Amino acid sequence: DTAVSQTPKYLVTQMGNDKSIKCEQNLGHDTMYWYKQDSKKFLKIMFSYNNKELIINETVPNRFSPKSPDKAHLNLHINSLELGDSAVYFCASTGGGRGVSYEQYFGPGTRLTVT
Amino acid sequence: AQTVTQSQPEMSVQEAETVTLSCTYDTSESDYYLFWYKQPPSRQMILVIRQEAYKQQNATENRFSVNFQKAAKSFSLKISDSQLGDAAMYFCAYRMYSSASKIIFGSGTRLSIRP
Repeated sequence: DTAVSQTPKYLVTQMGNDKSIKCEQNLGHDTMYWYKQDSKKFLKIMFSYNNKELIINETVPNRFSPKSPDKAHLNLHINSLELGDSAVYFCASTGGGRGVSYEQYFGPGTRLTVT
Repeated sequence: AQTVTQSQPEMSVQEAETVTLSCTYDTSESDYYLFWYKQPPSRQMILVIRQEAYKQQNATENRFSVNFQKAAKSFSLKISDSQLGDAAMYFCAYRMYSSASKIIFGSGTRLSIRP
């Protein structure tokens, strides 16, 4: 059983296009995240949601819009793609607050290439 | 604000030898979690080991162990009997005990194994 799944795993698109990445977790976790990993492998948190509510938005351009239809899903929509958006995007989830399943479970990542 | 520092961008070790990866962090919290994640070339993020700050005993998982020095805010990872499959990026991460909203990652250490 896949715990955290992302689709697609690879995405190649042209500048100016709009694209979405989907994430689903079947762990019953309350908190979900989007991370961006650049070419130097640095992991930067973009968004954090808890029970469908946005908790963290880390100075991400407003071309990036997360949406959480329910606590098992967190999608990422990107408008007007730019070359600098090329990266690997990871979805992750965790059990939430005090002491419950406190590590993060990661999806397989989506490699986005903007040409 | 909390920070996580990995001062070794790259490390190399002979197969079957032992290697230690360094991690230091800064926080004013007394309760928190620390993690080491592994990212092999497949790019999947895999939890290697976790440590609760309130536990004095160092965590151990098979060939992986940590040296947790709370006063020094140090959390190093020791890999014994290194194997070729251990070659990967290793990330140290910090999470507050009371909130899962933000998990902070270090910049990573690339570990290579010499056969």
